[in-house]
Amino acid sequence: QVQLQESGPGLVKPSQTLSLTCGVSGGSINSGAFRWSWVRQHPGKGLEWIGYVYYTRGTYYNPSLKSRLSISVDTSKNQFSLKLISVTAADTAVYYCARGLPDNWFDSWGQGTVVTVSS
Amino acid sequence: QSVLTQPPSVSGAPGQTVTISCTGSSSDIGAGSDIHWYQQLPGTAPRLLIYANSNRPSGVPDRFSGSKSGSSASLAIAGLQPEDEADYYCQSGDSSLNDVVFGGGTKLTVL
Repeated sequence: QVQLQESGPGLVKPSQTLSLTCGVSGGSINSGAFRWSWVRQHPGKGLEWIGYVYYTRGTYYNPSLKSRLSISVDTSKNQFSLKLISVTAADTAVYYCARGLPDNWFDSWGQGTVVTVSS
Repeated sequence: QSVLTQPPSVSGAPGQTVTISCTGSSSDIGAGSDIHWYQQLPGTAPRLLIYANSNRPSGVPDRFSGSKSGSSASLAIAGLQPEDEADYYCQSGDSSLNDVVFGGGTKLTVL
């Protein structure tokens, strides 16, 4: 059973870059079939898809975040990462990493990490 | 991006059956996109409940069932139990789609 674990700073200043990493255990990230994904949840709100990376087929991003977003894979560490630039208070949320299957559902989730954007 | 609409809340007494709807349009569910369902217990990560409209992953009780018709999908929970109290989300997506869309979520209260 694959397991995912988010890591990164819990506090980011406005206008700076939010960087998170998702470590993958129990499976290899360089399988081309999976969509290694990020999803966030604003306080008291629903789920928002951020984007995902295929190991071999590139990245797909939520159009509303695309201009600020980068998701990449590090096969040497079996992890993938999210970078969101120019953050504001509106980016305060719980960030989840998840494994998306080829038919586009998420079968494994990290426990989530709280990120607060504040000076 | 498409929009999936769920009722904000539903409720039911223990033992009853409740249904949560997920309404899309002719460009997503109506066009054949699959619907998946997640359960999010308070303070925890979402958990896959139903995939590809009506399939249960291993470990999900058969009290949970999903269906799809036209531009809508539904999640039914039979024999309600107190531990079913959670938020439920539908999500559209299949192998032909790159984008992922979640419904707004439905809070289930077990009375």
